[in-house]
Amino acid sequence: KAGVTQTPRYLIKTRGQQVTLSCSPISGHRSVSWYQQTPGQGLQFLFEYFSETQRNKGNFPGRFSGRQFSNSRSEMNVSTLELGDSALYLCASKTGGASFHEQFFGPGTRLTVL
Amino acid sequence: QKEVEQNSGPLSVPEGAIASLNCTYSDRVSQSFFWYRQYSGKSPELIMSIYSNGDKEDGRFTAQLNKASQYVSLLIRDSQPSDSATYLCAVNWEAGSGGSNYKLTFGKGTLLTVNP
Repeated sequence: KAGVTQTPRYLIKTRGQQVTLSCSPISGHRSVSWYQQTPGQGLQFLFEYFSETQRNKGNFPGRFSGRQFSNSRSEMNVSTLELGDSALYLCASKTGGASFHEQFFGPGTRLTVL
Repeated sequence: QKEVEQNSGPLSVPEGAIASLNCTYSDRVSQSFFWYRQYSGKSPELIMSIYSNGDKEDGRFTAQLNKASQYVSLLIRDSQPSDSATYLCAVNWEAGSGGSNYKLTFGKGTLLTVNP
């Protein structure tokens, strides 16, 4: 079974631009979560989508948004990029919402904001 | 606020030794616990999950859970240089009602270095 895939793998943008990242979950997984990882802050939860609805949300400004499509693929958008948005953005998928459902990560998108 | 605490390390062990990684969490209600390994520049990889008190073994890895003490650990036996990575502890907490909405919270990870 194929793993979680993310595109693009690397991205360079300038301040003020916007960016859209894409994630395809493992086949059969309906939950997709997004994380931001920086050296100082570790893994920070952005939001989770389940069956096309945002189910959980972290403490990020409204510039960070996402959506999920009917095939469970998800996109994350960051508008008005800031230097501090430079990070590794990770997508993770799991079957559903049960406590024993294991979550698997994609390879990540490395975003650099200049 | 639900928190997961880990020693940041670095934890340095010689090749062949047992590496012990520890994690504490703040809420007794947690039901499931996971260990991820993350190599530098890579994404986290799930290596162990544990749901009940006691030990769970998988190859050279043993996860230990003590819910009364709110403590979970990962032991790596016969450590190899290839085990050098950051190990992330993650705890599942119920984010909504109904038993179908659980959200993972991660610790900041412990950097393990295995010296040849």
